[in-house]
Amino acid sequence: DAGVIQSPRHEVTEMGQEVTLRCKPISGHNSLFWYRQTMMRGLELLIYFNNNVPIDDSGMPEDRFSAKMPNASFSTLKIQPSEPRDSAVYFCATSGPTEYEQYFGPGTRLTVT
Amino acid sequence: AQSVTQLDSQVPVFEEAPVELRCNYSSSVSVYLFWYVQYPNQGLQLLLKYLSGSTLVKGINGFEAEFNKSQTSFHLRKPSVHISDTAEYFCAVNLAGKSTFGDGTTLTVKP
Repeated sequence: DAGVIQSPRHEVTEMGQEVTLRCKPISGHNSLFWYRQTMMRGLELLIYFNNNVPIDDSGMPEDRFSAKMPNASFSTLKIQPSEPRDSAVYFCATSGPTEYEQYFGPGTRLTVT
Repeated sequence: AQSVTQLDSQVPVFEEAPVELRCNYSSSVSVYLFWYVQYPNQGLQLLLKYLSGSTLVKGINGFEAEFNKSQTSFHLRKPSVHISDTAEYFCAVNLAGKSTFGDGTTLTVKP
């Protein structure tokens, strides 16, 4: 398996623009997690899905952030409008139905200027 | 709710020396415990996990960890580190499918 795939790997955008981050989970994994990592705040859980249904979105910072999982093979995290304080590395991670460990993608480094 | 405390934010050590990275957790119920490693510009990857059974678990790259229920600890150890072990290490607990991560410990191995 290719592992968790994230795109793009790097994104540079201007404040106010819409940003969409994408994640393809490992085949057969039914839980998907979006994290944000910064030096100041460390690793933060934004939202997680189980069987394509959002279970806990309490970590989503504000209404500018939204996440979807239309099917078992794809998820998006959207920021609209983006702000400089959204600059961070965003990770997608997945886990299988009989596993407890998470498999992380390589991350998307977002820079908002 | 569960929480994880990594007691050292940075651990410098010389090559071939032993190292221990400390992790304490709190939870009112039994949890599963993990250590992950993050190399620069990469995602986290699993080092080892404790689900049940023997309290001493062995992982990749010569690392091991011991689960101590009475002290609610899960410290990570390696008897002899290499330069390539330089990375950030995260302790995590999992309850009902959701993981809580510690703030991380940066291990720097010096020649």
